[in-house]
Amino acid sequence: ELKVEQNPLFLSMQEGKNYTIYCNYSTTSDRLYWYRQDPGKSLESLFVLLSNGAVKQEGRLMASLDTKARLSTLHITAAVHDLSATYFCAGIQTADKLIFGTGTRLQVFP
Amino acid sequence: GAGVSQSPRYKVTKRGQDVALRCDPISGHVSLYWYRQALGQGPEFLTYFNYEAQQDKSGLPNDRFSAERPEGSISTLTIQRTEQRDSAMYRCASSLGLAGTETQYFGPGTRLLVL
Repeated sequence: ELKVEQNPLFLSMQEGKNYTIYCNYSTTSDRLYWYRQDPGKSLESLFVLLSNGAVKQEGRLMASLDTKARLSTLHITAAVHDLSATYFCAGIQTADKLIFGTGTRLQVFP
Repeated sequence: GAGVSQSPRYKVTKRGQDVALRCDPISGHVSLYWYRQALGQGPEFLTYFNYEAQQDKSGLPNDRFSAERPEGSISTLTIQRTEQRDSAMYRCASSLGLAGTETQYFGPGTRLLVL
């Protein structure tokens, strides 16, 4: 059964700094999703990575997928306070069942 | 509609009562999913539908939980004889197609509290 692990679980970073969130998964997952969740809010889709080597960027966030290493990364460039949120990665089990990681809670401070 | 909607947004019930949670997916979306999210955790899959057909219910915790989508649009998740451990945020998501590459769009959730 697919298991998804993220690290770190908590990340406190200063504005302007760069950092990477890691998402490891245990078995084959053809696709990898990243979601953002603000406190008390629903999940907002950030990226869908469909194939090995896929890289997608939106603003200060860049996601990549290495299916051979079973690893996805979410890189944050020059963090700003508005990026403070919890970030989840999710892999696909059979039949479109998303399996989520435990989330990375990001706090960006001045 | 503009997005996935769920009702009620909050539900407080006494142990032993039945509850019905409703999900209205984005118009035209074929697939509908139910997840449960505990505080501080990622969502956990419960069940999903393509059109009106329930494809996978392996995530339903026990037979007190059931779901239906009779006309391929609105779905209802029913919990019978609720227990305190059922307290959680229940989220619905929908996606456009069957291909499996589609993004799942999540609703605001129903927070269930069983006293």
